[in-house]
Parts: sequence; C-alpha cells; structure tokens
Amino acid sequence: ELKVEQNPLFLSMQEGKNYTIYCNYSTTSDRLYWYRQDPGKSLESLFVLLSNGAVKQEGRLMASLDTKARLSTLHITAAVHDLSATYFCAVDTGNQFYFGTGTSLTVIP
Amino acid sequence: NAGVTQTPKFQVLKTGQSMTLQCAQDMNHEYMSWYRQDPGMGLRLIHYSVGAGITDQGEVPNGYNVSRSTTEDFPLRLLSAAPSQTSVYFCASSVDGELFFGEGSRLTVL
Repeated sequence: ELKVEQNPLFLSMQEGKNYTIYCNYSTTSDRLYWYRQDPGKSLESLFVLLSNGAVKQEGRLMASLDTKARLSTLHITAAVHDLSATYFCAVDTGNQFYFGTGTSLTVIP
Repeated sequence: NAGVTQTPKFQVLKTGQSMTLQCAQDMNHEYMSWYRQDPGMGLRLIHYSVGAGITDQGEVPNGYNVSRSTTEDFPLRLLSAAPSQTSVYFCASSVDGELFFGEGSRLTVL
C-alpha cells in the first residue's frame, strides 16, 4: 500500500519566520504535486514537480523533489498571514494520485 | 472560465437512499477523478477515468459507481447511502498530471 506522509501535521509560526514542510512517500515516482486548501474551499495547485532535483519557486514558497530519497519539501520564507492554509502533497503513480494528510499552517502576526 | 463544476454543493440523505453527484469540465481533459476528503485523512481516490468509456477503481471504490459517456461529464453515484459516506467529495480533471478541482460537494448521510 502506497503511503504519503507529511510532517508536521500542524504548524504555527510567527510572521517573518522560515519553515519547511516535509512529504515522504513509499513508492517510486517522479511526479509530485503541492496543493493549497483554504478552510471550506477547494484545492488550488501550487507546484508541479516532474523529475528528480526539480525545484520550483513562487513568491515565499519553494518546493523541491528528491526522488531517490522519496522526499519533497515545501519551504516557507518570511511567512505572512496570507499563507495560513492547509498544504497537501500528492504523488502520481500513473493514473492514481495519493495525497498526504495535509499540513495545517497558521501564521501568527 | 467554468473549469470543473460540481453539483449539488450540499446534500443530506437518509441511509439507504441513492443519489448522483454531478461533475462537468469544459477544458477537454481526458482524465477525470473523484475524491473524498475526511478529517485527518487527506483526499482519497474513489474512481477515475482516462477517457470516455473508460473507468477504473481507486483507493476507496466500495459503495460508489461511475460512468463516462462523454469527455465533459463524470457523475458519481451512491447506490445505497451509508453514514460512513458522510464526507466532502471533490471532482478533478487533469492535464499532464496537474489536477484541477471542483468546488466540492458536502454530503451528510443520516
């Protein structure tokens, strides 16, 4: 059974601080995705990582993929309140997508 | 740009009732899928389709049926609703692996 584990599950951080969310998965895959979900809303695509060593950045968020370690990271730089949301990673095994349980991020002023 | 449209947004059912969640996309995506989201469990794949006439089971297919008669539509049918099917359901279509989600349908089974 494929497992996708995120940690931490809950993260409370002060504005201006840096932090990293980790996503480990248990199968071989070169395709990993990050999504954001605001409370009561749908999921929004953040990053598409399609090969080992892929790095994508958008604003204060940067995602990377190490397929050999089966690890992706989502790094937050100088957090702001608008980044408060739940972040999910998802692994693509061909036609099936497996999601992590999510990291609920709260940025405190 | 409509994207992925789900209806209804909210539904309350009694145990044993049947219903269909509708999903339509206007992006001409071949791949469509249904997920359920439960607290603390992320999203789990119910069924997916790689094109009209082709469907397959995901991680949690029991109690659900799907069909794909057109590229645009991918309805999810609950045959005999159970309280364990209380959840938020998301439909998504995909191109090159990136998923585009509908707004979600919140289903409560009493």
